[in-house]
Amino acid sequence: ETGVTQSPTHLIKTRGQQVTLRCSSQSGHNTVSWYQQALGQGPQFIFQYYREEENGRGNFPPRFSGLQFPNYSSELNVNALELDDSALYLCASSLQAYEQYFGPGTRLTVT
Amino acid sequence: DQQVKQNSPSLSVQEGRISILNCDYTNSMFDYFLWYKKYPAEGPTFLISISSIKDKNEDGRFTVFLNKSAKHLSLHIVPSQPGDSAVYFCAASASTGTYKYIFGTGTRLKVLA
Repeated sequence: ETGVTQSPTHLIKTRGQQVTLRCSSQSGHNTVSWYQQALGQGPQFIFQYYREEENGRGNFPPRFSGLQFPNYSSELNVNALELDDSALYLCASSLQAYEQYFGPGTRLTVT
Repeated sequence: DQQVKQNSPSLSVQEGRISILNCDYTNSMFDYFLWYKKYPAEGPTFLISISSIKDKNEDGRFTVFLNKSAKHLSLHIVPSQPGDSAVYFCAASASTGTYKYIFGTGTRLKVLA
């Protein structure tokens, strides 16, 4: 059974640019949630996708958007990057959402 | 407004003893709770869950206790091992369709050999 994978591992972008992060969910899982973890904080919920539809969103602006594909993999897109977007981005997959299994994360640095 | 709080940023315990990590929440709608362990440069690893219909759940060395009236949960690790040294997060959600987990800020556990 393959766990949750994310790519890339690290990324450096300039303020104002756009970024796409990718997540492959664990086999058999139909729900993907994305979280942002700033240094010294717990993960903060960005949004969740269930069977290709957005199924809930946290307090993040519309420049954070996502997609889920028929194979349940997912993308997180962030437009007009700001310095405060520098963080570890985590995706978690689940079946029916209640126990979520995290990937290793993508470390995004915005300069 | 922090709905899930882990008031102890760090905890040190001797190997073989019990580690008790605490978590408080404010939202009475929360009815599903998770504990995660996180090593540096890795994603959080799921440890154990509990729903509000129970007050205790056990899995090997890990036991989670839930006190709904106090809005408090705790994770007990017995016996503690050096490999348990990590940051522990509790997370809570209401089971209203979207399991939108709210995480605490974490407690760094150090198990001393």
